[in-house]
Amino acid sequence: DTAVSQTPKYLVTQMGNDKSIKCEQNLGHDTMYWYKQDSKKFLKIMFSYNNKELIINETVPNRFSPKSPDKAHLNLHINSLELGDSAVYFCASSHRGPMNTEAFFGQGTRLTVV
Amino acid sequence: GENVEQHPSTLSVQEGDSAVIKCTYSDSASNYFPWYKQELGKGPQLIIDIRSNVGEKKDQRIAVTLNKTAKHFSLHITETQPEDSAVYFCAATDSWGKLQFGAGTQVVVTP
Repeated sequence: DTAVSQTPKYLVTQMGNDKSIKCEQNLGHDTMYWYKQDSKKFLKIMFSYNNKELIINETVPNRFSPKSPDKAHLNLHINSLELGDSAVYFCASSHRGPMNTEAFFGQGTRLTVV
Repeated sequence: GENVEQHPSTLSVQEGDSAVIKCTYSDSASNYFPWYKQELGKGPQLIIDIRSNVGEKKDQRIAVTLNKTAKHFSLHITETQPEDSAVYFCAATDSWGKLQFGAGTQVVVTP
C-alpha cells in the first residue's frame, strides 16, 4: 500500500491553463504539506494543513490554491499557469505536535509548462 | 523564520570511504532534525533523525550528531557504497511542525 500517493506523476500543459494535483495519505496523519522542488533541487514549503485547517501559507502566488476536503486529502489547484511554475511538486504528511514525527513524501508530480 | 544551511553542495567519495555533510540552523526553538535521501525520480525518504534532547544517534553505517549550543548538526556515512549515491537533505522542524530543508548535497560514490 502506498503511504502518500499523488496524481498525476507527470503533467505537461500550456501557459495560461488551470490544473490540479491530487494527494492522498493512508497513514492516519493529521498534517499534510505541499513542497515545490526547483531545478536546483531546492525543496521549499508552500502550504500545510492540520486537520483540514490551513496552518502554513508561505509566500506563494494567489494562483496556487490548496484544498483539503478531509484529513487524508490535500489537493493543489493552480490557475493561469506560467513557465516559472515548472517544477516537481511533492505532497507530504506527518503528525504535528511538540514531538514532531517523520514526514512521508509522495513520489512527486513533475509539472512542465510550455 | 528558520534558515537551514547545508554544506557541501556536492561530495564525491571513493567506495569504502566516509562522507560527512554539515548543517546549521537559526531557530533555537527547532526540536527535530531529520535527514532525507532522495534518489533520482523519487520523493525524499527519511534515513535518520535526531531530537533536540539527544546529542548523537547511530543506525548501522549512518550517524547523526547535534550540537544545540552551536546550532550545528551533521550526517556521517561510513563504508560508503555505490547505492549511497543520491541527494541528501538536512532539515529542521519547529514546534509548529514546519519542516525547513537545507539546499541538499549531491553525493557520488565511485567504485
